[in-house]
Amino acid sequence: AQKITQTQPGMFVQEKEAVTLDCTYDTSDQSYGLFWYKQPSSGEMIFLIYQGSYDEQNATEGRYSLNFQKARKSANLVISASQLGDSAMYFCAMRRTGGFKTIFGAGTRLFVKA
Amino acid sequence: NAGVTQTPKFRILKIGQSMTLQCAQDMNHNYMYWYRQDPGMGLKLIYYSVGAGITDKGEVPNGYNVSRSTTEDFPLRLELAAPSQTSVYFCASRGPGTENTEAFFGQGTRLTVV
Repeated sequence: AQKITQTQPGMFVQEKEAVTLDCTYDTSDQSYGLFWYKQPSSGEMIFLIYQGSYDEQNATEGRYSLNFQKARKSANLVISASQLGDSAMYFCAMRRTGGFKTIFGAGTRLFVKA
Repeated sequence: NAGVTQTPKFRILKIGQSMTLQCAQDMNHNYMYWYRQDPGMGLKLIYYSVGAGITDKGEVPNGYNVSRSTTEDFPLRLELAAPSQTSVYFCASRGPGTENTEAFFGQGTRLTVV
């Protein structure tokens, strides 16, 4: 069975600083994808970044990067130069390659301080 | 581009009442999903569908039913509403093909059962 663990219920970061949100996962599948979503207070789910288990390089999308350590089964999200608008819930998710179901972690709430 | 449209956005039900949450997507996506999000928690999969006429249970299907008669629509039926079904419900869709396709989410339906 697959499992996603996000151990930080809440995080604070000063505006313009970088922050790392932790995500560890457990799976017996050899090929899988890892996703990060942002959920602002308005409630919608916004896709941020994707990492395939066989991708050799860490994924980057603008100010978002994914620190993927396959042997440790971790897929941490790094947000550089935090902005006030980054304050939100962040969810890590995983799906087996070729599978239909995506499972989500419990989320981390990020607070960006001015 | 409408994307994924959920109706209604808010609803209050009395215990024992029934209702249908509507979900429609205009992206010709094969895969559609229903999730629930309890306060401060991640998303849990209720049901999913891989195409018209094909549905399957997710992690928390009890108390719900779905149907998929067309590619576009994936309604979620609540029979005999219970307070434990108070939650925010998200519908999502995803296209087939490459594995890095993210799911597109609707805006959510906030349901309260009293």
